[in-house]
Amino acid sequence: RKEVEQDPGPFNVPEGATVAFNCTYSNSASQSFFWYRQDCRKEPKLLMSVYSSGNEDGRFTAQLNRASQYISLLIRDSKLSDSATYLCVVTPGAGSYQLTFGKGTKLSVIP
Amino acid sequence: SQTIHQWPATLVQPVGSPLSLECTVEGTSNPNLYWYRQAAGRGLQLLFYSVGIGQISSEVPQNLSASRPQDRQFILSSKKLLLSDSGFYLCAWSTDSNYGYTFGSGTRLTVV
Repeated sequence: RKEVEQDPGPFNVPEGATVAFNCTYSNSASQSFFWYRQDCRKEPKLLMSVYSSGNEDGRFTAQLNRASQYISLLIRDSKLSDSATYLCVVTPGAGSYQLTFGKGTKLSVIP
Repeated sequence: SQTIHQWPATLVQPVGSPLSLECTVEGTSNPNLYWYRQAAGRGLQLLFYSVGIGQISSEVPQNLSASRPQDRQFILSSKKLLLSDSGFYLCAWSTDSNYGYTFGSGTRLTVV
């Protein structure tokens, strides 16, 4: 089983739609979770951290289910500017200096 | 505030030529530093990481090497490039991985 798995997409959605991405991770000792956004030919940028209680930032909502070892990202009222690849990222566990990246889910928001 | 600089932005090099990519971080001390590569249409591959001056951990055996001559400087090198070394090279820093990484703007390397 891969450490972090994501549906590669692409997800093609119309403007204004709600879209959800899921991600599963294999290491039950993982402590921290993130969603990064990567625009075409650019570096990944931190979109939001994911907390056990769930968290929201404007149109974006992230949730964590530790029991099932999955993370989700919900985007409401999609904008053209949301088109990007969304990377699910986890820390392997206590004492690790590294993050483990999923391969990403590509989102295209269509006019 | 902390910033990370990476250069050059693009590079075209012939097979067999040497490589040196540099990354520097400002506004923090003793950062953890990372080199990643992203091949076209692929995910991020960790190449090297460093938790201090002169301390380098290699994740993937290959013809690349890394050095950290100063606290906030991380260099990726190769003596002889291969076609398969083409890709998008990203430097990143963190003080604690539980807070995520910040990436530099990357170097797009094409080996011809």
